[in-house]
Amino acid sequence: AQKVTQAQTEISVVEKEDVTLDCVYETRDTTYYLFWYKQPPSGELVFLIRRNSFDEQNEISGRYSWNFQKSTSSFNFTITASQVVDSAVYFCALNADSWGKFQFGAGTQVVVTP
Amino acid sequence: DAMVIQNPRYQVTQFGKPVTLSCSQTLNHNVMYWYQQKSSQAPKLLFHYYDKDFNNEADTPDNFQSRRPNTSFCFLDIRSPGLGDAAMYLCATSRGAGGPRGEQFFGPGTRLTVL
Repeated sequence: AQKVTQAQTEISVVEKEDVTLDCVYETRDTTYYLFWYKQPPSGELVFLIRRNSFDEQNEISGRYSWNFQKSTSSFNFTITASQVVDSAVYFCALNADSWGKFQFGAGTQVVVTP
Repeated sequence: DAMVIQNPRYQVTQFGKPVTLSCSQTLNHNVMYWYQQKSSQAPKLLFHYYDKDFNNEADTPDNFQSRRPNTSFCFLDIRSPGLGDAAMYLCATSRGAGGPRGEQFFGPGTRLTVL
């Protein structure tokens, strides 16, 4: 069975603060992929990052960074110096199924106020 | 740009009146998915096609049907919409099943309102 847990339902920050979104996953597969998607109020799911289970390197892309730790089954996401445009729902997802089906977390609503 | 297109973006229908949502892709991907997403929830997979092979999720109501006449197009038919079917419907595609080919690309969604 696969499971993705995003324990934080909503996080509110003031602009320029950093925000970290937690994602914990469960899978018995040894090969799997983890994703983060952003869903702004318009509704479209925007791909942010993919990480495979064999690559534990952390990654930074602009103000975004990801910390993947297999030992704790976590794939956390940090937005540095948050901006109002970062306000959205962020989903963590796991793909460990040969059919490519995603297991989504419940999502974390990020609210950034000026 | 290669993309996933959904029409219409907003659809209003009446209780019990059949409705069809459309998805097209220019990515030439083999797999197409339909998700239902209700407010404050994660997307829920309804079914997917791998080429012409149809795969229905076990808990997808019979009220929901899908057609994929060719690689580029996929339709979601709701035969008798109920108030509980009001949701955002997301279409997604991927090159293949699983692995790096399983990365899904999403369309903008169709928001369905049932009156």
